[in-house]
Amino acid sequence: QVQLQESGPGLVKPSGTLSLTCAVSGGSISSNYWWSWVRQPPGKGLEWIGEIYHSGSANYNPSLKSRVSISVDKSKNQFSLKLSSVTAADTAVYYCARVFVDYCDFWGQGTLVTVSS
Amino acid sequence: SYEVTQPLSVSVALGQTARITCGGNNIGSKNVHWYQQKPGQAPVVVIYRDSNRPSGIPERFSGSNSGNTATLTISRAQAGDEADYYCQVWDSSTAWKVFGTGTKVTVL
Repeated sequence: QVQLQESGPGLVKPSGTLSLTCAVSGGSISSNYWWSWVRQPPGKGLEWIGEIYHSGSANYNPSLKSRVSISVDKSKNQFSLKLSSVTAADTAVYYCARVFVDYCDFWGQGTLVTVSS
Repeated sequence: SYEVTQPLSVSVALGQTARITCGGNNIGSKNVHWYQQKPGQAPVVVIYRDSNRPSGIPERFSGSNSGNTATLTISRAQAGDEADYYCQVWDSSTAWKVFGTGTKVTVL
């Protein structure tokens, strides 16, 4: 069974860049799935950030598109998220997930990222 | 962009039936998926593509989708069903995924 694990700094300064990595185990990132990032601000709902295919093709939430970049590293079986020019509004639990056609069937446990000086 | 709306909260008596709606323009033409999220945990899909249950999800969970409303039904509600529930659709015209606003289910 596939497992996903997020990692990265838990604290990012305002105007900085948030960087997270999702390690995939129990399956190949080069298989026929998309790989997604979803976030959840404290006490709020889920927000889709974007997704990537192993070919490098990506889709992004239009509200974040100017600040987001998702990349894939097939040699390490992982994919990554970069979110630039962060503010306190970007404080959230960030989840990575596997996409089965059009929904997320496996999720990481999530990692809290706080934007604060 | 496509928007989906859910009621903020739904209450159900123990053993009774809860229905959670997900509204959107002609949502019946889209695949709707439902996630359950308990405090401090990642979401878990309980219904995919309108009415399909993943293995391990109780038969008490069912789904339907028609017109402008999709519905998640929890029959014989149990205390363990207390959670936030989110619907999600895929906007094929843009390839974006959209989550509903979320519904908190309380079992009384």
